[in-house]
Amino acid sequence: ETGVTQSPTHLIKTRGQQVTLRCSSQSGHNTVSWYQQALGQGPQFIFQYYREEENGRGNFPPRFSGLQFPNYSSELNVNALELDDSALYLCASSLDGTPETQYFGPGTRLLVL
Amino acid sequence: EDQVTQSPEALRLQEGESSSLNCSYTVSGLRGLFWYRQDPGKGPEFLFTLYSAGEEKEKERLKATLTKKESFLHITAPKPEDSATYLCAVQRMGGGATNKLIFGTGTLLAVQP
Repeated sequence: ETGVTQSPTHLIKTRGQQVTLRCSSQSGHNTVSWYQQALGQGPQFIFQYYREEENGRGNFPPRFSGLQFPNYSSELNVNALELDDSALYLCASSLDGTPETQYFGPGTRLLVL
Repeated sequence: EDQVTQSPEALRLQEGESSSLNCSYTVSGLRGLFWYRQDPGKGPEFLFTLYSAGEEKEKERLKATLTKKESFLHITAPKPEDSATYLCAVQRMGGGATNKLIFGTGTLLAVQP
């Protein structure tokens, strides 16, 4: 068991709505990354937070935003939802900011109708 | 542009029938190549990291190898419990966000008893 938890597990929204997804990091991990995985695709990097600051972003529009809290838990917010936002959203925490110490959570499945 | 291509998309094996999965990559300066296993409804589980051409890593029935352009994941005498999607990802040297990984679309492996 990795210790990274995400909530909710599943979510259904309609186009134009806003959504907040949550991630609890593994104990001692100070870096959180978020990925979007569309059906049949590999995960795509959204952004990364290190000690409450965003320190890297993938090719996603500004309506994808995030937060990291002092206890290193994190949120992903998506505004003005589009149908193409339907995907599995994965959170991954790492001990020292490297993929070698990174563990993925089980993901939140978002369906936009 | 950095790119990862995996083949085949899907592979069906009989229990005990060895085979290999391919991951070809194009990246401007490779820091590391990563293999993950992903079970349905779960996040990716880390298997191996390879850093330089000629490197090999082994874990139970799995062996990963790396050349300058591709990586292979060899599966020896697979069992039904090896059934999963296998993802390959690369991390670029000096690519900004430490944990940004570029994933392929994966190979769906089914091992029949």
